[in-house]
Amino acid sequence: DAGVTQSPTHLIKTRGQQVTLRCSPKSGHDTVSWYQQALGQGPQFIFQYYEEEERQRGNFPDRFSGHQFPNYSSELNVNALLLGDSALYLCASSLIGTDTQYFGPGTRLTVL
Amino acid sequence: DQQVKQNSPSLSVQEGRISILNCDYTNSMFDYFLWYKKYPAEGPTFLISISSIKDKNEDGRFTVFLNKSAKHLSLHIVPSQPGDSAVYFCAASEETSGSRLTFGEGTQLTVNP
Repeated sequence: DAGVTQSPTHLIKTRGQQVTLRCSPKSGHDTVSWYQQALGQGPQFIFQYYEEEERQRGNFPDRFSGHQFPNYSSELNVNALLLGDSALYLCASSLIGTDTQYFGPGTRLTVL
Repeated sequence: DQQVKQNSPSLSVQEGRISILNCDYTNSMFDYFLWYKKYPAEGPTFLISISSIKDKNEDGRFTVFLNKSAKHLSLHIVPSQPGDSAVYFCAASEETSGSRLTFGEGTQLTVNP
């Protein structure tokens, strides 16, 4: 049973660039959520996708956008990168109607 | 506005003894609570959860207690093992159906042999 997978593992970008992170949900799951975890803090909710639509959104600027594909996989896009966007980006999947989210290993983004 | 708080950044316990990790919340709309464990360079791993209609849930060595009136929950690990050393996050959601999770800052648990 494949768990949640994310790519790439690590990424280094410079300020002003754009980045795309990818996530494949756990087998059988149809809902994908994205979180940002800064050093020494808990994960912060960015947004959630279900049926290829953004279902909920946290307190993040429009520079953060996403997409969900028909196979339930998802992308997180961040435009005009800032130094403060350096963080671990976590993807979590769940099945609609259930309560627990399962996390992938994350993508470590460093913005120089 | 930190709606979920874990006031102890770290906890050190001897192997075989009980570990108690605490979590407080302020949002009375939260009705589902989860504990995750995180090792370095890995994503959070789901441990145990509890619905607001219960006050206790057990799974092996792990027990979560919920005190709704105090808006407080705790995770008990008995007996603690060195492999339990990790960062533990408390999380809460306002509704079921995989809704957004609000996390605490985490507690680093160290279990000494």
